This record gives sequence, C-alpha cells and structure tokens, in this order.
Amino acid sequence: AQSVAQPEDQVNVAEGNPLTVKCTYSVSGNPYLFWYVQYPNRGLQFLLKYITGDNLVKGSYGFEAEFNKSQTSFHLKKPSALVSDSALYFCAVRDTDNYGQNFVFGPGTRLSVLP
Amino acid sequence: DVKVTQSSRYLVKRTGEKVFLECVQDMDHENMFWYRQDPGLGLRLIYFSYDVKMKEKGDIPEGYSVSREKKERFSLILESASTNQTSMYLCASSLDGGVNGYTFGSGTRLTVV
Repeated sequence: AQSVAQPEDQVNVAEGNPLTVKCTYSVSGNPYLFWYVQYPNRGLQFLLKYITGDNLVKGSYGFEAEFNKSQTSFHLKKPSALVSDSALYFCAVRDTDNYGQNFVFGPGTRLSVLP
Repeated sequence: DVKVTQSSRYLVKRTGEKVFLECVQDMDHENMFWYRQDPGLGLRLIYFSYDVKMKEKGDIPEGYSVSREKKERFSLILESASTNQTSMYLCASSLDGGVNGYTFGSGTRLTVV
C-alpha cells in the first residue's frame, strides 16, 4: 500500500527566512512525488514533481524539493519566504510499480509567513 | 490555457435533495477524479473514471454516484444530500498514468442544511 505523511499541521516562518515543509512517503516500488499548493477557496496548483533523475527538483515560485530515497522523504524548501507563500501545501505520491494506483495525498500543511 | 471547470463555486442545498456537481475539462484527458477535502483529512477520493462510461469507486464512495457520458464531462451526484456531505469538492483530470500529475478545478464548496 502507498501512503504519505505530512507531520506538521502548521508551519510558521518569518518573511525572508528559509522554509521547509516536510513530507514522508511509503511505497512498495518507485515513487512519483508531487507538491501542490492551495490558496483560499481555490483548487490545487502544481508546484513541482519528482519522477526520476536528479534528486533536487526545482519548481514554481522559487520552491524546490529534495528526493531522499533512504529516508523516504520529499521535503519542500524555499530559501527566502514571502508573505504571499502563505497557503496550504499538499504532498502526493503514486507507486509506479502498482499499475492502476492513483495518487495519495497527504493531509496538508498550512504555511504562514509572518511579515 | 488548459483548464478544469467546476460549474459552481458555492452551493447550498437542503437535506434530502438530489445534488449534481458538474466538472468539464478541455484537455482531452482520459482520467477524471472527484475528491472531497475536509480540514485535517486532506483529499479523499470519491470516484474516478479512466474512460467514457467507465467508473471506479474510490476510498469513500458511499452516498455518491457519478456519470461520465462524454470524455470531457464527469458529474458527481449526491442522491440524497446529508449534512455530513458538507465539504469542498474538487474535480481533477490527468492525461496519463501520473507523470504529469493532476489538473484541478477551483472547487465547489457545498453546504447541506
């Protein structure tokens, strides 16, 4: 079975400081990993993905994430947070070795960037 | 700009009513999905479809049904709305097995009173 965990319900960070939103996953094979962001009363928007290749992936709005296979993690990072980054962030995983499996989403982490 | 469109942003319905939530995508995607989103629970899959007239149950199908008569349209039906179905409903579509992820609609916030 595949699963994904986001251990923090809420992350607070001061504007200009680096931010990290954590994600760990469990799959039996190789993962597809995604990060999405949701602004109030909107759908989810794609931020970045890991499919294969370089462990460090760069995405929209200056975000990046590092795939760590040994720790089964895919933490989202940004060197300098903006107030406009405040939103709900979802990590999602799909086990590529299980044909027909859909993505599983984490519970979400609310990021608040304080001015 | 490709998109997934959900017909209503906000909806208020009475208990026992039959409710239709409509979703249309213009990307010629094969796969379409309905999720509900609740605080602390994240996104939970209700139903999905890999082709026209095809449907599969997700994790929480009870109290819901779906219809996919055309490739671009995927409808979620609440046969008899109940207050515990008050939620944000998100439609999504995808082209392939997951390499490009999902494209989401803006969501419908349904309140059942």
